[in-house]
Amino acid sequence: DADVTQTPRNRITKTGKRIMLECSQTKGHDRMYWYRQDPGLGLRLIYYSFDVKDINKGEISDGYSVSRQAQAKFSLSLESAIPNQTALYFCATGGTAFYEQYFGPGTRLTVT
Amino acid sequence: EDQVTQSPEALRLQEGESSSLNCSYTVSGLRGLFWYRQDPGKGPEFLFTLYSAGEEKEKERLKATLTKKESFLHITAPKPEDSATYLCAVQAPDSNYKLTFGKGTLLTVNP
Repeated sequence: DADVTQTPRNRITKTGKRIMLECSQTKGHDRMYWYRQDPGLGLRLIYYSFDVKDINKGEISDGYSVSRQAQAKFSLSLESAIPNQTALYFCATGGTAFYEQYFGPGTRLTVT
Repeated sequence: EDQVTQSPEALRLQEGESSSLNCSYTVSGLRGLFWYRQDPGKGPEFLFTLYSAGEEKEKERLKATLTKKESFLHITAPKPEDSATYLCAVQAPDSNYKLTFGKGTLLTVNP
C-alpha cells in the first residue's frame, strides 16, 4: 500500500462549489504539506502543519483552508472554487529526523 | 528570498548519451538541496539530499553534486525509462522546513 494517499485522484467541479481534498499517510511523519502545481509555475506551497495544533500558511493560501484531523490526516478545502484553482494538488509529508519531503500521487482538480 | 533556477528547461538525449542538468540556487544558508524525479501526472519521487559543497550522491545512472552556488545532476548512459521531469529544491535553516522548488528540467531519452 502507498505511504501517502490522496482522494479523490481526479475531480471536476463547478465554479462556486465547495470541495475537499483529503490526504492520509502511514509513514508516521509529523509534518504535512499541501502544494499545487501549474504548468510553468512549478510547485507552490499552500499550507503546512507540524502537528494537529499547528497550521501555517504557505505562499498561496488565499482561497484555501485546511484541517489537520489527526497526525495522519490533512485535508485541503476550497470554500468556493474558481477556475484558476484548476491544477494538480499534492500532499507531502516530512519527518523530524530528516529534511526531505515525500509526496502523494496527486489530485487533478478541474473547476469549470 | 530563496530562489532556484533550473536549466535547461528541456533536454532531449539519445539513449546512451550522457549529460548534466543544472540547478542554481540563492538561499540564506543551505540546510539541504534536494533532487526529485516526476513522471507525468504523478507525485515527485525523492532522489537525493545534498548538505554541503563537495558532497556527491549516486543512484544507478544518476549522480548529484553540489557546490556553493549550484548542483548538477549527471546522467550517465541514460535509458528511455529515465525520461521524466527532474526537480531541484532547497531548504534554508530559517525556512521552517519549507522547500523552494525550481520549475524543473524535462528530460526525454530517445531509443
